Amino acid sequence: DAGVIQSPRHEVTEMGQEVTLRCKPISGHDYLFWYRQTMMRGLELLIYFNNNVPIDDSGMPEDRFSAKMPNASFSTLKIQPSEPRDSAVYFCASSLFSITDTQYFGPGTRLTVL
Amino acid sequence: GDSVTQMEGPVTLSEEAFLTINCTYTATGYPSLFWYVQYPGEGLQLLLKATKADDKGSNKGFEATYRKETTSFHLEKGSVQVSDSAVYFCALSGTASKLTFGTGTRLQVTL
Repeated sequence: DAGVIQSPRHEVTEMGQEVTLRCKPISGHDYLFWYRQTMMRGLELLIYFNNNVPIDDSGMPEDRFSAKMPNASFSTLKIQPSEPRDSAVYFCASSLFSITDTQYFGPGTRLTVL
Repeated sequence: GDSVTQMEGPVTLSEEAFLTINCTYTATGYPSLFWYVQYPGEGLQLLLKATKADDKGSNKGFEATYRKETTSFHLEKGSVQVSDSAVYFCALSGTASKLTFGTGTRLQVTL
């Protein structure tokens, strides 16, 4: 299995631009998670999906952030408009049957907003 | 609410030294406990886990025992290697229905 795939690996953009991060979970996994990692705040859960349905988006920082999962093999996290404080590493993870199962993380997308 | 407290890093050790990274937690009920490791430039990966009191999780020479009486899940390894240099995260899954991570402890092992 290829593991969780994320793209792009690095993204540099200017303030105000739209940013879209992409994730392909491990095939057959029912749960998909989006995390953000910064030095100041550590690892934060932004949102998670179960069978393509968003279950808990309480970690999404504000309306500029949105996430979709149109099918079992693809999810996006969009920031519009982006701001410098959004600079972070964004991880996607998936798990098989429940939120408490082992989570398999992708390599992350390092986002820099200038 | 659920929370995890880890010792501050970085922890710097010489190769073959004994490692302990402390982790304590606050949760209601009987959470499952995890240690994840993040190598430079990579995502987190599960190192070990324990799902009930007195369980010992182990993997790659690392061990941690679920101690309910002290609400702790300390990570230990008898002899660290340079390749163990990474950031280690303690986490729990409890009533919040999500993984709650600690802030991470960076380990640096030198020759």
